[in-house]
Amino acid sequence: DIQLTQSPSFLSASVGDRVTITCRASQGISSYLAWYQQKPGKAPKLLIYAASTLQSGVPSRFSGSGSGTEFTLTISSLQPEDFATYYCQQLNSYPLLTFGGGTKVEIK
Amino acid sequence: EVQLVESGGGLVQPGGSLRLSCAASGFTFSSYDMHWVRQATGKGLEWVSAIGTAGDTYYPGSVKGRFTISRENAKNSLYLQMNSLRAGDTAVYYCARAPLVGATFPGFDYWGQGTLVTVSS
Repeated sequence: DIQLTQSPSFLSASVGDRVTITCRASQGISSYLAWYQQKPGKAPKLLIYAASTLQSGVPSRFSGSGSGTEFTLTISSLQPEDFATYYCQQLNSYPLLTFGGGTKVEIK
Repeated sequence: EVQLVESGGGLVQPGGSLRLSCAASGFTFSSYDMHWVRQATGKGLEWVSAIGTAGDTYYPGSVKGRFTISRENAKNSLYLQMNSLRAGDTAVYYCARAPLVGATFPGFDYWGQGTLVTVSS
């Protein structure tokens, strides 16, 4: 099974900060990685797929990069509505899927 | 408008069974792979099962042999039959749609609101 390790698991940041979240895969997954945002009590929302492609309607302050085993999600200028938990998901072994453990972004 | 609406959650005793449903609308249901994902309170997301357009099914080891995913295209409905339930199966269960883009699946573009399953005596 492919394991995904996200870091950090928690981060505290201020509005306007640049934020970077890392997702590491236990084996190479090419670019088959997606990122989701989840707010309390809500279903996750797809932000980025294929490691770096922005889902329709997602603000351009979100970006993704990486391939192989190391990936990053970057928020260029954190907005109040961005405080949430972020998950990565590998689709290299689709339809057998795994998620990372999550990164909670809170207000400093 | 694409909508996924789960139902069927509730309280069940350990060892019991429950059947979840997911009603789909706003898209051609039969053309999409569908998945179930769960989330225990305060925990992360866990993929639970998948069903392809041809009815092929997939499970992780944690639920294989206990859970069965199925679909009824005529009713635009997805199901999850859960047997031999354990306390560790307590979670919100989401159904999600997996579109095919080109030759790959980019992720889950639509999710339901979730239904809570509580396994407790």
